[in-house]
Amino acid sequence: AQKVTQAQTEISVVEKEDVTLDCVYETRDTTYYLFWYKQPPSGELVFLIRRNSFDEQNEISGRYSWNFQKSTSSFNFTITASQVVDSAVYFCALVLSGGSYIPTFGRGTSLIVHP
Amino acid sequence: GAVVSQHPSRVICKSGTSVKIECRSLDFQATTMFWYRQFPKQSLMLMATSNEGSKATYEQGVEKDKFLINHASLTLSTLTVTSAHPEDSSFYICSAGGQGYFNQPQHFGDGTRLSIL
Repeated sequence: AQKVTQAQTEISVVEKEDVTLDCVYETRDTTYYLFWYKQPPSGELVFLIRRNSFDEQNEISGRYSWNFQKSTSSFNFTITASQVVDSAVYFCALVLSGGSYIPTFGRGTSLIVHP
Repeated sequence: GAVVSQHPSRVICKSGTSVKIECRSLDFQATTMFWYRQFPKQSLMLMATSNEGSKATYEQGVEKDKFLINHASLTLSTLTVTSAHPEDSSFYICSAGGQGYFNQPQHFGDGTRLSIL
């Protein structure tokens, strides 16, 4: 069975600090997809990124960057120069390519950015 | 891009009331929709998978008679919390996938915050 672990329950930083949110996954499948979502206090889930298991290129989008390493089964998310608006709960999720395509979510990491 | 609309966004009602939550895919056909429940400071818990034209598949521990799911069309699934009680208070969120959706992120509704007094 697959599993997603977000060991950091809560992270507190001061604005402009860089912060990395960890995500470690477990699966025996060789084809899968990894996602990151942001859930602000209002509750909606905002899609941030999707990465398939065959693409280990790191990705940068503005202040956001992702480091996918199959060797360590990790898909970490870094926010550079954090801002108060980044305060939210961030979820990492795993979807297997075959079957029901239901994502397995991590428990989420609550990021608090102080001004 | 694809959008999933969920309504209502917030419900406050008395114990014993039945509450219906709608989940619509606005610009794509969703043969499958998913219903999640989220308690404060916790992750999303899958309640059931809603399949258009057939019975929903419930996760273990989810009461079928308490949480009625209807997926009558390719764009609409409803979750009815029957005879709701305070312990049913939670954040409910739906998601849907379009054709070939395994290759796309699941699209989520904005959620419904249910408070039973």
